[in-house]
Amino acid sequence: EVQLVESGGGLVQPGRSMKLSCAASGFTFSSFAMAWVRQAPTKGLEWVASISYDGGNTYYRDSVKGRFTISRDNAKSSLYLQMDSLRSEDTSTYYCAKDTVSFDYWGQGVMVTVSS
Amino acid sequence: DIVLTQSPATLSVTPGESVSLSCRASQGISTSIHWYQQKSNESPRLLIKFASQSISGIPSRFSGSGSGTDFTLSINRVESEDFSVYYCQQSYSLPLTFGSGTKLEIK
Repeated sequence: EVQLVESGGGLVQPGRSMKLSCAASGFTFSSFAMAWVRQAPTKGLEWVASISYDGGNTYYRDSVKGRFTISRDNAKSSLYLQMDSLRSEDTSTYYCAKDTVSFDYWGQGVMVTVSS
Repeated sequence: DIVLTQSPATLSVTPGESVSLSCRASQGISTSIHWYQQKSNESPRLLIKFASQSISGIPSRFSGSGSGTDFTLSINRVESEDFSVYYCQQSYSLPLTFGSGTKLEIK
């Protein structure tokens, strides 16, 4: 059974940093691209970033480019999102997703609140 | 960026009715569209990929069609568990984008 479990969320002040983690199991993690998708409270879904199966290629939406860094550790079957210079508009539930062009599996999500 | 426009925003139906949800892309995207269901306080779930390809474990009453700019998610005989929000998503080009969603509610 595929499982994606996010961790690391919480309350953070504007301008500060936070790192999210996603522990994967139930599939060959090193063979698949992965992604982060977020959802602001009461809003729709928004793609944040993707990373290739080997970490060699990364892709970001413009609003997070230069502030967020997606990475992975295939030995640990883990995905990460380092978020720097956080803004109030980054407040969202962040989902880790298995990226097979479509997002075929999703984690339960982790809430990030950016507020002073 | 490719904009996906979903309509209607809200659809009120009686269980047993059949419905069609629309997703229109701002430019041609071949069949690079995927559909998700999100129930309240849950993670999204993939329903249909590449416009019409079925997903293992998804009930057969869900089907998709379309190509180019116009896409449809159809639900044959809506059941009570289907009342939720549905999103389309394009994978034709970066940034990957989602539609704003259609909320399917009980009439």
